[in-house]
Amino acid sequence: RKEVEQDPGPFNVPEGATVAFNCTYSNSASQSFFWYRQDCRKEPKLLMSVYSSGNEDGRFTAQLNRASQYISLLIRDSKLSDSATYLCVVRMFSGGYNKLIFGAGTRLAVHP
Amino acid sequence: EPEVTQTPSHQVTQMGQEVILRCVPISNHLYFYWYRQILGQKVEFLVSFYNNEISEKSEIFDDQFSVERPDGSNFTLKIRSTKLEDSAMYFCASSSSGTGVYTEAFFGQGTRLTVV
Repeated sequence: RKEVEQDPGPFNVPEGATVAFNCTYSNSASQSFFWYRQDCRKEPKLLMSVYSSGNEDGRFTAQLNRASQYISLLIRDSKLSDSATYLCVVRMFSGGYNKLIFGAGTRLAVHP
Repeated sequence: EPEVTQTPSHQVTQMGQEVILRCVPISNHLYFYWYRQILGQKVEFLVSFYNNEISEKSEIFDDQFSVERPDGSNFTLKIRSTKLEDSAMYFCASSSSGTGVYTEAFFGQGTRLTVV
């Protein structure tokens, strides 16, 4: 089983749509969770951390369900500029330090 | 805003040649990482580095790979004898903490390595 699994998409949505991405992780010892955004051939950039109580940042809402080992990202009122690949990322603590484990990403295309 | 910088942005090399990828982490960061992303695939952890030594490495990071912090600012990844399958985007990252649960890791813009 993959460490972090995501639906690869692509999700093609019109501007203004609401879109939700899901992610599951296999290691229950995973410590913390993030959504990164990656534009084509660019570096990953942190979109938001995902806290146990769920958190919101403007049009973006992230949820975590530790019991189900499930993470979600909701984007409301999609903009053209939201078109990118969204990476579900889990931080593992190993050997005294932590490292990031990436999902393969979900591609979002927002069209006019 | 401080950033991680990587050079070169694109490197083409012949199979069997050695390459060195360079990174300048954010100046007050102490933890450094290399990740790679083969085209169309996920970002994969290669190695983490702290206090002038490797703290963890993945199965990908075999004897052909090495990392070094030759001075106070640079962090390098060396591939001794490149193979075609080493072609990928290599990302350097740094963070202020290696143990902080929500400490952000900042990524450089990447070096695209093409082995021909």
